[in-house]
Amino acid sequence: AQSVTQLGSHVSVSEGALVLLRCNYSSSVPPYLFWYVQYPNQGLQLLLKYTSAATLVKGINGFEAEFKKSETSFHLTKPSAHMSDAAEYFCAVSAVAGGTSYGKLTFGQGTILTVHP
Amino acid sequence: EAGVAQSPRYKIIEKRQSVAFWCNPISGHATLYWYQQILGQGPKLLIQFQNNGVVDDSQLPKDRFSAERLKGVDSTLKIQPAKLEDSAVYLCASSLIYTLQGYTFGSGTRLTVV
Repeated sequence: AQSVTQLGSHVSVSEGALVLLRCNYSSSVPPYLFWYVQYPNQGLQLLLKYTSAATLVKGINGFEAEFKKSETSFHLTKPSAHMSDAAEYFCAVSAVAGGTSYGKLTFGQGTILTVHP
Repeated sequence: EAGVAQSPRYKIIEKRQSVAFWCNPISGHATLYWYQQILGQGPKLLIQFQNNGVVDDSQLPKDRFSAERLKGVDSTLKIQPAKLEDSAVYLCASSLIYTLQGYTFGSGTRLTVV
């Protein structure tokens, strides 16, 4: 079974500082990986996804993530935090096409990002 | 392009009552998902439809939860009878068939069981 672990349920940074949200996955084969953002009382918005193409994935709002197979990690980064980045972030995994769990997203517990002025 | 529509946005019911949630996916999306998100946790898949057929309902508590997708478009998720632990946000998502292209979530229905 696939799973993801997000390290740190809360991360606090100052405006302009580096954002680093950690995600490690567990899967017998390299899966597809996703980062979603959720603002209060809203649904999930896709930030970026890794689907076995380039290992460095660029997403919306200046976020990017790097797939590292050797470390089974897919950490999310942003060079300079903005107040509008304050939200909850979820890492998720899906089996690749043809797998029995294809389409089913398994989410981590989430990381709440706070940005201080 | 219109997004995934869900209603109602909020619902408060007493335990042992029944409740139903509605989802209208993006036009042309053959795959539809219902997720349950309990406060402080990540979403968990309850059921996955391909057109009007069920692909995966292994995490659906079938003694009280049911879902249908008549005609392969809209879907309804029902809980009967509700328990306190069913308090959560119920998210609907849809995508194109056999692909994760366009995988989009609705805003969800927040259910409070008192």
